[in-house]
Amino acid sequence: DADVTQTPRNRITKTGKRIMLECSQTKGHDRMYWYRQDPGLGLRLIYYSFDVKDINKGEISDGYSVSRQAQAKFSLSLESAIPNQTALYFCATSDFAAVGPGELFFGEGSRLTVL
Amino acid sequence: KQEVTQIPAALSVPEGENLVLNCSFTDSAIYNLQWFRQDPGKGLTSLLLIQSSQREQTSGRLNASLDKSSGRSTLYIAASQPGDSATYLCASGGGNKLTFGTGTQLKVEL
Repeated sequence: DADVTQTPRNRITKTGKRIMLECSQTKGHDRMYWYRQDPGLGLRLIYYSFDVKDINKGEISDGYSVSRQAQAKFSLSLESAIPNQTALYFCATSDFAAVGPGELFFGEGSRLTVL
Repeated sequence: KQEVTQIPAALSVPEGENLVLNCSFTDSAIYNLQWFRQDPGKGLTSLLLIQSSQREQTSGRLNASLDKSSGRSTLYIAASQPGDSATYLCASGGGNKLTFGTGTQLKVEL
């Protein structure tokens, strides 16, 4: 089984619908992240969490919210999906690092299409 | 704001060739530099992490170097194989986050 599991892997939805992407990990890491990947733009950070009670906005958090339900679970929600949120979404984890970001471990990705 | 650039965007080489992938970043105040591999339809796999105090890291046929003062990192792949075909991304680690480049798509041909 994968260390970082994302569900669903693919989702097609309509504008205005609420969508939740889920991530669970078995690596025992405290730090979890959500990124989106768009062609030509690379990966951009949406939200990150360093423990269950810690949530931080990334560079593109507008239109998204997150929930850290447990150390191993971090979900991303789109309250009212819009077409420009069509993208490949990645969850990642890292262990504690004394300085800077630690080594990241990624899930397989969730491809979201908003019509 | 940190900007990370990878040139070229795509590269095609014959099997067995040694090759270098380039990564440049604008802000040298980084904690580390990470290289990842991404296969089509898959997530990113960590290849090498170089701390800011290090000059290079090696793993098998891969060697990554870091020159903070010039804002550059290179990933050297020795004796390339068709299985090395993938997109390679670098990311600079500053503060608590990584800033990613857009990647170099590598194709190793038989």
